[in-house]
Amino acid sequence: GENVEQHPSTLSVQEGDSAVIKCTYSDSASNYFPWYKQELGKRPQLIIDIRSNVGEKKDQRIAVTLNKTAKHFSLHITETQPEDSAVYFCAATNTGNQFYFGTGTSLTVIP
Amino acid sequence: DAEITQSPRHKITETGRQVTLACHQTWNHNNMFWYRQDLGHGLRLIHYSYGVQDTNKGEVSDGYSVSRSNTEDLPLTLESAASSQTSVYFCASSAGTSIETQYFGPGTRLLVL
Repeated sequence: GENVEQHPSTLSVQEGDSAVIKCTYSDSASNYFPWYKQELGKRPQLIIDIRSNVGEKKDQRIAVTLNKTAKHFSLHITETQPEDSAVYFCAATNTGNQFYFGTGTSLTVIP
Repeated sequence: DAEITQSPRHKITETGRQVTLACHQTWNHNNMFWYRQDLGHGLRLIHYSYGVQDTNKGEVSDGYSVSRSNTEDLPLTLESAASSQTSVYFCASSAGTSIETQYFGPGTRLLVL
């Protein structure tokens, strides 16, 4: 099956700085890569996703990049704000049904 | 509004008891999933269903079972609860058989004493 590794496990940034979280995957057939944000005590919520036919996708301050050759994808958050503090999970799938999740990155934005 | 709900939100039980966690969605989604979330492990798939009468084992299915008698519900049963099953359980759903975003329920926090 697929193996997804996520780094770093914790990340602290100053408000206004950028944050980058990286994930690698093992199955070259994986073709859909969502990112979820989970605030303390809440459910994971999709913030952005990318399919394997594109290399980058942006949504306001959030962007995701995908390198299929190297089998890694990254989440970029610019101009971070305190409300960006949360745990972020990456995932990969090649079937649309079984998502394989990374172990999460706890992001703290320091005001 | 369409949504996905879970009940109970918190549950304390004893080792050896049977426990059932409910998941209900009103989106008419075909696919439903159960995950457990533990520190250091992220979200791990327990069971999933592609439709009525269909169930499949996930990565960590031992000690759990599911049944799908209608589109809206996928209850998760712990046959004989063990302390290792103390966790937060999330149900999720997605629309079809192609690659679709999964939407998560609010979670059930289960403590097995």
